[in-house]
Amino acid sequence: QVQLQESGPGLVKPSQTLSLTCTVSGGSINNGGYYWNWIRQRPGKGLEWIGYIYYSGSTYYSPSLKSRVTISVDTSKNQFSLKLNSVTAADTAVYFCARAEAVTKFDYWGQGTLVTVSS
Amino acid sequence: QSALTQPASVSGSPGQSITISCTGTSSDVGGYNSVSWYQQHPGKAPKLMIYDVSNRPSGVSNRFSGSKSGNTASLTISGLQAEDEADYYCSSSTRSSTVVFGGGTNLTVL
Repeated sequence: QVQLQESGPGLVKPSQTLSLTCTVSGGSINNGGYYWNWIRQRPGKGLEWIGYIYYSGSTYYSPSLKSRVTISVDTSKNQFSLKLNSVTAADTAVYFCARAEAVTKFDYWGQGTLVTVSS
Repeated sequence: QSALTQPASVSGSPGQSITISCTGTSSDVGGYNSVSWYQQHPGKAPKLMIYDVSNRPSGVSNRFSGSKSGNTASLTISGLQAEDEADYYCSSSTRSSTVVFGGGTNLTVL
């Protein structure tokens, strides 16, 4: 059974960089054909796709966040990571990592981690 | 890219059927059979209910079904049960190889 777990600081100061890691267990992140995603949900709002890294290393990002986002993978640790630069209060959200078997088939999700942007 | 359009809320009585729509454009919903639907209970991670427009993952009740016509996808829940009360989100792939979600629909079982 594949499991994903987000980790990282729960509080980030404005203008700094938000960094989160998703640890995958029960399956290798190197296995072909999967998309490793970050998705967020602002308080009381809907889901917002941030981006994904394909097993080949290709990355795609939401156009609205593209200038501030980097998603990378560490296959040795079976982890993938999110970095979001120049954060503001509008970036306060629960951040989910998720595996997709096809581009929009998010079949496994982490439990989500709340990141608050505040001084 | 703009979020897909869903009704903010729908409601139904136990045993009834409801349908949630998800409207996009020819660059997303209308152009690809990559529409998925997710159920989210408060404080929980979303759960995949439908993928590729009309396919159900193993373990999802056959009371949930999906369809698509033109730029609009739909999720139908038949035989409503109290446990179906949740938020529902659609998603689609896009021409740019990205993903877009709908704004979400809150389902109330009366």
